Amino acid sequence: GDSVTQMEGPVTLSEEAFLTINCTYTATGYPSLFWYVQYPGEGLQLLLKATKADDKGSNKGFEATYRKETTSFHLEKGSVQVSDSAVYFCALSDSGDYKLSFGAGTTVTVRA
Amino acid sequence: KAGVTQTPRYLIKTRGQQVTLSCSPISGHRSVSWYQQTPGQGLQFLFEYFSETQRNKGNFPGRFSGRQFSNSRSEMNVSTLELGDSALYLCASSGHRANTGELFFGEGSRLTVL
Repeated sequence: GDSVTQMEGPVTLSEEAFLTINCTYTATGYPSLFWYVQYPGEGLQLLLKATKADDKGSNKGFEATYRKETTSFHLEKGSVQVSDSAVYFCALSDSGDYKLSFGAGTTVTVRA
Repeated sequence: KAGVTQTPRYLIKTRGQQVTLSCSPISGHRSVSWYQQTPGQGLQFLFEYFSETQRNKGNFPGRFSGRQFSNSRSEMNVSTLELGDSALYLCASSGHRANTGELFFGEGSRLTVL
């Protein structure tokens, strides 16, 4: 079945540091890939997505590239802010499944 | 535009009881999904409905059930509660018939089973 493996946390960074969270996936078909973010006390929000190989999703300074050859979708941000402190979830969706399969989540804390 | 609304936000039950959670999707959204979030298992898919039809169901026992009404509002029910059912239950809606993966989540209903 489909599965997502992402880097274990927690991750603690200083402001303006570079952030990368690794995500790899296993899927039978050609999935779409997502990063969702959960800020403290809030529901999950879609951060970015990519629907096919070599697509790059980007939003709020975050980027991730769909790499079919390495089955990866790593999240990166060049300069994090305290407001980026949250739990980040990598997820995939296979067409026809009507569901998301999530990774375990990575807690990121950014210190001023 | 109002977001996904879940009620109640918090509830405490005892083992053996049953619980019903409610979800109102974003206006115009006809797809509603439910997920269980726990520290140990993470986010697990429960079920998805579109226009009152269940299109997919996750690997949960039959004690977990759901339904969707003609106004797209959805409820999920857990009967004979167990301690392990303690979790944050998240509802999400989508404005797409197809599976785009672009979901709008509510803040969740936090269930504690004692």
